[in-house]
Amino acid sequence: NAGVTQTPKFRVLKTGQSMTLLCAQDMNHEYMYWYRQDPGMGLRLIHYSVGEGTTAKGEVPDGYNVSRLKKQNFLLGLESAAPSQTSVYFCASSYGGTRETQYFGPGTRLLVL
Amino acid sequence: AQSVSQHNHHVILSEAASLELGCNYSYGGTVNLFWYVQYPGQHLQLLLKYFSGDPLVKGIKGFEAEFIKSKFSFNLRKPSVQWSDTAEYFCAVNAKPGNTGKLIFGQGTTLQVKP
Repeated sequence: NAGVTQTPKFRVLKTGQSMTLLCAQDMNHEYMYWYRQDPGMGLRLIHYSVGEGTTAKGEVPDGYNVSRLKKQNFLLGLESAAPSQTSVYFCASSYGGTRETQYFGPGTRLLVL
Repeated sequence: AQSVSQHNHHVILSEAASLELGCNYSYGGTVNLFWYVQYPGQHLQLLLKYFSGDPLVKGIKGFEAEFIKSKFSFNLRKPSVQWSDTAEYFCAVNAKPGNTGKLIFGQGTTLQVKP
């Protein structure tokens, strides 16, 4: 039982490049989330999904897109990376919504030059 | 907009000292409250959570938190810290309505415990 895994662990991009971050969970969770963590700002929700085939915007969705084609996977895309997207990205999943514990992945460190 | 504020950004304590980390939120309705912890090199994990009932909740590793509705606070406490408690601590709020599970996190508090 691997829990929540994220690929890649670290990436360097040039401004304008695109990339996709992959999150996978093997706990059969319905809900999945993408957060970004910046110094002094805690974690901020980018997008989330309440089930396969659904996605919704969080606090800071601009510049990102997501897809949840399979229940176990939640992809975060950057179409045209900007230096402001330099951050650590965390994926999380939970069985349900409001009262459920979220289980986090190890994070992806992204540097945009 | 909902927000969560953690007053202490960096706390340094000696082993056996008592710990209290402050957390305040801004939302007048029903809330669910969480404390998460990130130990060095590890994933974020849940310390404890509060939904209703006894406002004093106990979590893992001897941590507890008290919900004071009138003060919009959910402070984390531990009577005697250990070196292994060195970590970053995040307070988070999930505000109703809706069942989306969306969390609003505080800025985080880095705790350094000196042996």
